[in-house]
Amino acid sequence: AQSVTQPDIHITVSEGASLELRCNYSYGATPYLFWYVQSPGQGLQLLLKYFSGDTLVQGIKGFEAEFKRSQSSFNLRKPSVHWSDAAEYFCAVGLNSGGYQKVTFGTGTKLQVIP
Amino acid sequence: EAQVTQNPRYLITVTGKKLTVTCSQNMNHEYMSWYRQDPGLGLRQIYYSMNVEVTDKGDVPEGYKVSRKEKRNFPLILESPSPNQTSLYFCASRPAQGREKLFFGSGTQLSVL
Repeated sequence: AQSVTQPDIHITVSEGASLELRCNYSYGATPYLFWYVQSPGQGLQLLLKYFSGDTLVQGIKGFEAEFKRSQSSFNLRKPSVHWSDAAEYFCAVGLNSGGYQKVTFGTGTKLQVIP
Repeated sequence: EAQVTQNPRYLITVTGKKLTVTCSQNMNHEYMSWYRQDPGLGLRQIYYSMNVEVTDKGDVPEGYKVSRKEKRNFPLILESPSPNQTSLYFCASRPAQGREKLFFGSGTQLSVL
């Protein structure tokens, strides 16, 4: 069965510091890969997605992610974190399942930004 | 404005009292889905629908029902709620193509006493 692992439950970074959130998936083929962000009291919003082509994808709010097939990873990065980036981040994997694309979410990483 | 609308936003109920959480989208999306979010567990899929009158179980369907009589609406029904169904619920929709992003509602915080 497909699975998505986000090993970090909480991460704290200083404002202006760089950020990397880890995501690993378990599947034999290349899935569709997504990063979503959830601000407090809100639904989830797509940051970026990958399904083919250039393995470095750019998203909204200055985020990027790199797909590494050899490591089954899709880590999210940002060079300089802003206080408004404090939120919970979810990696998600889309795979064919019974004729449709099933999306499986990771358990999330909560980001705290300190001044 | 393209959106997924869930109601109510907050709901407190008692064990065994039937309830319905409504979900409506205005984007003519074929695919709709319900998720529950619990601390440390991320989002888990309850039910999904590929189109009108086509629904199927997700990963945690026990205790829930859904229907898809119209393309825009996908209500979640709890016939006899129990305390373990206390959770944050999200409805989401997208076009049929799996590579498309999910549009999420703002969530429904349900407490079952």
